[in-house]
Amino acid sequence: SQQGEEDPQALSIQEGENATMNCSYKTSINNLQWYRQNSGRGLVHLILIRSNEREKHSGRLRVTLDTSKKSSSLLITASRAADTASYFCATDREYGNKLVFGAGTILRVKS
Amino acid sequence: GAGVSQSPRYKVAKRGQDVALRCDPISGHVSLFWYQQALGQGPEFLTYFQNEAQLDKSGLPSDRFFAERPEGSVSTLKIQRTQQEDSAVYLCASSLYRAGGWGIQYFGAGTRLSVL
Repeated sequence: SQQGEEDPQALSIQEGENATMNCSYKTSINNLQWYRQNSGRGLVHLILIRSNEREKHSGRLRVTLDTSKKSSSLLITASRAADTASYFCATDREYGNKLVFGAGTILRVKS
Repeated sequence: GAGVSQSPRYKVAKRGQDVALRCDPISGHVSLFWYQQALGQGPEFLTYFQNEAQLDKSGLPSDRFFAERPEGSVSTLKIQRTQQEDSAVYLCASSLYRAGGWGIQYFGAGTRLSVL
């Protein structure tokens, strides 16, 4: 069974707008990662945030982590049509690094 | 190779048939993972190898599922007597670091299995 839950399940925005996706998880974690999946493709790693970090940036991506609330958010700024994809958060437990994924957020960026 | 390679990309099997799915990880990657992704869901862990040792197979749904990585490189996921509920995308991922580290996992494009 999956640990995480993302919300919203689906998000549709105009090109240039910002997109925010949220993820909640249930157990203690070592790291939290965000992955992107284009239709019919494998997952691509976007960003990793360690459990002792609160915020991380990478290009147009900003990730926050609140371990007290067991939640994370992914912000994509100035979205582009090419950002259209499914986005998943994934956590690994302290004792191993198999990933536990949420159900994902489907993002559609309209041009 | 440059990335994780999986074959075949698509597999159609009749119920009851055995199937074998192949994964070629990134050269030098110690860890290899198999995940199952149902339509509209996130991937779910099946099993994990560190080199040739299968360290965790807690996610395998039944004893019809079997995975091996005999030389610590290529891995094969075998499903015996396939059933309709086995229909899913099977993803392979490899990682440079061992369990307990910070492994970013690199995924293949997956094998889409359809059981009729």
